[in-house]
Order: sequence, then C-alpha cells, then structure tokens
Amino acid sequence: AQSVAQPEDQVKVAEGNPLTVKCTYSVSGNPYLFWYVQYPNRGLQFLLKYITGDNLVKGSYGFEAEFNKSQTSFHLKKPSALVSDSALYFCAFDQTGANNLFFGTGTRLTVIP
Amino acid sequence: EAQVTQNPRYLITVTGKKLTVTCSQNMNHEYMSWYRQDPGLGLRQIYYSMNVEVTDKGDVPEGYKVSRKEKRNFPLILESPSPNQTSLYFCASSPLLDRYLSNEQFFGPGTRLTVL
Repeated sequence: AQSVAQPEDQVKVAEGNPLTVKCTYSVSGNPYLFWYVQYPNRGLQFLLKYITGDNLVKGSYGFEAEFNKSQTSFHLKKPSALVSDSALYFCAFDQTGANNLFFGTGTRLTVIP
Repeated sequence: EAQVTQNPRYLITVTGKKLTVTCSQNMNHEYMSWYRQDPGLGLRQIYYSMNVEVTDKGDVPEGYKVSRKEKRNFPLILESPSPNQTSLYFCASSPLLDRYLSNEQFFGPGTRLTVL
C-alpha cells in the first residue's frame, strides 16, 4: 500500500539548534508531498509542498524540506528552532493531484528553552 | 477573514442519535473534505467534494454521509453514531486551480465528538 511514514513519534531539540522531522514515502510515480503543522487546539496549517522541480522547498515560518528520490525521503528542516515551533507535524502525500491527502501519523516536536 | 468554520466545536452524544456537524468556508473554494484524527493514526479522509453536488468517498466513509448543496457548505452527517466514531473531526477546503495540481488545504478548528 502507498503511504508516508514518520518514524519518530517525538522529537526534542534545544532552542537555537537545527531541527529535522523525518518523513519517508512509499508512493509510485511522482507524488505530491506536503508538510502541515498543528498547534494545540487548532486545525492544521500548510507549511510547504513539493510538486516538481527544485528538490529543496522553502515554506512558511523558516521551514524547508528536501525531496530525496533515492532515499524516498522528504524531511522537514529548520536551521534554528524556536520554542514557538513546538507542535505536531504531519507529512502527507497526494498521488493523483486531486487534493486527496494521505497523512502520516505525526511527529510531536518539542523545542526546549 | 478567510476561514473554515465548524460547529459545534465539542459534542457529546449517545449511540444512535443522529447528528450533523456543519462546515462552512468563505473563500469560494471548489474542493472540500472531511477528515478524522485519531491517536497513532494521523488524519484519515472520510469524504470529499470537488464541487456542488459532486461528492465521493475517502479512506474511511463507513457510517458517514455528506452533502454539497451549496459551494460554501459541506455538512457531515452521522445517521446512527457509534462509540468507534468518537474522534476529532476536521473540515478542509481548497481551490482547484488545476485539476492535476494539488493545492494547499485550509483546515477548520476541529470538532471533538464523543459517542457514549
């Protein structure tokens, strides 16, 4: 079955340090890949997406993600973490371009002051 | 303000009592969708709609109904709720700028449903 996997349920990082939230995909063809963030008691917010082209995608709030076809990964990164980045992060894919998203299980990021 | 609204935000009900969760968007988006979020499972799509009077099943449609009579509204209906439908529900909308180009989805604040 086609899917995305987030191998870490939880990631902790110190404020000011770089952060990485991992996502690997198992999707045939050319998938559309997304990152969304969910703050406490809020709906999901779009961070960035990869459709085609440049493998490094820049998104909202200083986040970026690198599409790596050989490793089938789409890790989310930020050079310097903020306490306000603490949230639940979801990787997702849409195979057909019809807006039907399939989500990973989520990674809870905690940035320690 | 551009937004997706859901009502109610919290609901506790009993098994078998029909309920409707409303969803409305003010962005003139063609696409709307319902998801449920469960711990350890992420979000799973229930139903989606590409436009008025066009709806289709997502990943987990059993026990749910939807309708799309107007572009802005996409209610989720549970005809006979059961405890396994206890979950956090999200409505989302998106423009369909290009049929084959997936677009950012805008999510509502969520509805926490408990079925006793």
